[in-house]
Amino acid sequence: KAGVTQTPRYLIKTRGQQVTLSCSPISGHRSVSWYQQTPGQGLQFLFEYFSETQRNKGNFPGRFSGRQFSNSRSEMNVSTLELGDSALYLCASRLRGLDYGYTFGSGTRLTVV
Amino acid sequence: AQSVTQLGSHVSVSEGALVLLRCNYSSSVPPYLFWYVQYPNQGLQLLLKYTSAATLVKGINGFEAEFKKSETSFHLRKPSVHISDTAEYFCAVSEGRWDFGNEKLTFGTGTRLTIIP
Repeated sequence: KAGVTQTPRYLIKTRGQQVTLSCSPISGHRSVSWYQQTPGQGLQFLFEYFSETQRNKGNFPGRFSGRQFSNSRSEMNVSTLELGDSALYLCASRLRGLDYGYTFGSGTRLTVV
Repeated sequence: AQSVTQLGSHVSVSEGALVLLRCNYSSSVPPYLFWYVQYPNQGLQLLLKYTSAATLVKGINGFEAEFKKSETSFHLRKPSVHISDTAEYFCAVSEGRWDFGNEKLTFGTGTRLTIIP
């Protein structure tokens, strides 16, 4: 069974640009969550999508957005990039509730210069 | 809101020794609890999880954790560590409920474990 696939693995962008990250969940998983990992703030929840609908959202500015497609693949978009957006962005999929646990992807390392 | 405290941001132990990584959470209601491991330039891999069953949970790679409600703790241990256990370890606790649409994980700040040959 293929795991959670995130593309690209590495990305370098310039301040002010926008970026789109992609996540393909485990087959059959309809929930996709996104987390940001930075040395200063640690792992923080961005948002969760389930059946193409945003179910939950963390405390991030509106520059961070996402969507989910009918095949459960998800994209995350960050507009007007700031230096502080440099981070490892992790996607996690799950079957349903957290008693099933998340499966994480390897992440996308975004560097903003 | 939940909070998770991991005591010791860096831990170094000799190969073959016992290691104990500490985790305390803030909620009085036993949530779901998890330990994840992160190797360099990788995502998070689930080591083990507590979901209201046995209080002693066994995971992969010889790790185990004990849930103690009275101490709101979920410490991770391994009796004999190997060089390959060098990694960062994260404790996480669930918040919210699936059927309320607000379920998510709150993570501790992590413990970097170094195994000395």
